[in-house]
Amino acid sequence: EAGVAQSPRYKIIEKRQSVAFWCNPISGHATLYWYQQILGQGPKLLIQFQNNGVVDDSQLPKDRFSAERLKGVDSTLKIQPAKLEDSAVYLCASSLESRDRFNYGYTFGSGTRLTVV
Amino acid sequence: AQTVTQSQPEMSVQEAETVTLSCTYDTSESDYYLFWYKQPPSRQMILVIRQEAYKQQNATENRFSVNFQKAAKSFSLKISDSQLGDAAMYFCAYRGFNSGGSNYKLTFGKGTLLTVNP
Repeated sequence: EAGVAQSPRYKIIEKRQSVAFWCNPISGHATLYWYQQILGQGPKLLIQFQNNGVVDDSQLPKDRFSAERLKGVDSTLKIQPAKLEDSAVYLCASSLESRDRFNYGYTFGSGTRLTVV
Repeated sequence: AQTVTQSQPEMSVQEAETVTLSCTYDTSESDYYLFWYKQPPSRQMILVIRQEAYKQQNATENRFSVNFQKAAKSFSLKISDSQLGDAAMYFCAYRGFNSGGSNYKLTFGKGTLLTVNP
């Protein structure tokens, strides 16, 4: 089975510019996650989608970050305007169903490394 | 809120030896899952082992095993016969309900960088 696809793999932008990341989850996975992983830290959940609806965005800096998952498949995460502290790896993951106790298989993409200069 | 703590930023082990990585967590839930993930330089998270909280028996996967102490909220990973390919960042993760109680979410610790010396 194909994995979680993410693009681009690397991105360098200047502060105050905007940037967008794309994620294509495993086919049939209802739940999609975006994580931010700052160097030397563990991934932090930014937003979680169940199909095309948001179920958790409590840690998403909504003044500058936005995400959408149109048609419940692909997703894009946008930052506008970027700050230096946004430099991180942005990981996308998907799972079958986040409301099912026994469906706990997560598949992660290889992430996008963002550098803001 | 659930929190996951990994108190060892870095660990090293000699090839073929055994190493134990520590993890503690805080939760008020009784039913949850715990995971250890490996993250090599390629950045992709790879599942190493998982433990269901309702199971008393410790999980094992080949050279990897856990010591799950539910009352102490401790979940350590033991790697036996360490190999050069085991070198990576290791993350402990907790799966429990989100704040709304409607969906499960995965919360990670800060990670432990494991070096394997030949």
